Amino acid sequence: DGGITQSPKYLFRKEGQNVTLSCEQNLNHDAMYWYRQDPGQGLRLIYYSQIVNDFQKGDIAEGYSVSREKKESFPLTVTSAQKNPTAFYLCASSVGGAGELFFGEGSRLTVL
Amino acid sequence: EDQVTQSPEALRLQEGESSSLNCSYTVSGLRGLFWYRQDPGKGPEFLFTLYSAGEEKEKERLKATLTKKESFLHITAPKPEDSATYLCAVLENTGFQKLVFGTGTRLLVSP
Repeated sequence: DGGITQSPKYLFRKEGQNVTLSCEQNLNHDAMYWYRQDPGQGLRLIYYSQIVNDFQKGDIAEGYSVSREKKESFPLTVTSAQKNPTAFYLCASSVGGAGELFFGEGSRLTVL
Repeated sequence: EDQVTQSPEALRLQEGESSSLNCSYTVSGLRGLFWYRQDPGKGPEFLFTLYSAGEEKEKERLKATLTKKESFLHITAPKPEDSATYLCAVLENTGFQKLVFGTGTRLLVSP
């Protein structure tokens, strides 16, 4: 079955540590996205990539980094520079830059 | 700046009690309005796309409609399995087509 796989589902981090969230898709989609979801707020775009080896900052990119070395993979690193990293992180993909997104199951990061 | 406002924040219905969720938006030029369903602890699941005023889409007990300023998600005779958070999003009218999400409506359908 085609879909998006995020891992890990739950992650705990100490302050000052970098963590990397994995996102893999087998839908053959060109575009991939990372969103952050916090209680009471809409999904906010962190980074997006429309093609391999290219990515752009979204609305809240500070303290995050990404890479897009393969079409299938779009990992997100939450760095120690991110001041409030505890959140639910969602990876998504689409055929193009359209609004019909396919989402993964999400990764919940908690900073201790 | 494009904005999306959803109401109510939460809605509790009895099974079979029909109702509507609202999504109002302000955009300089609507490129598309999208409805998603999100179950607790899961990623959103795409439901509908609407492009122009007067357009309607249906799926089982759900019907989405669009006017020039808002969209409604009508739920007819809901069942407990319809309980979820429903998200609305609009496609921003910029060079890159970015979605702007509302905060969602949490729907609980009791048996």
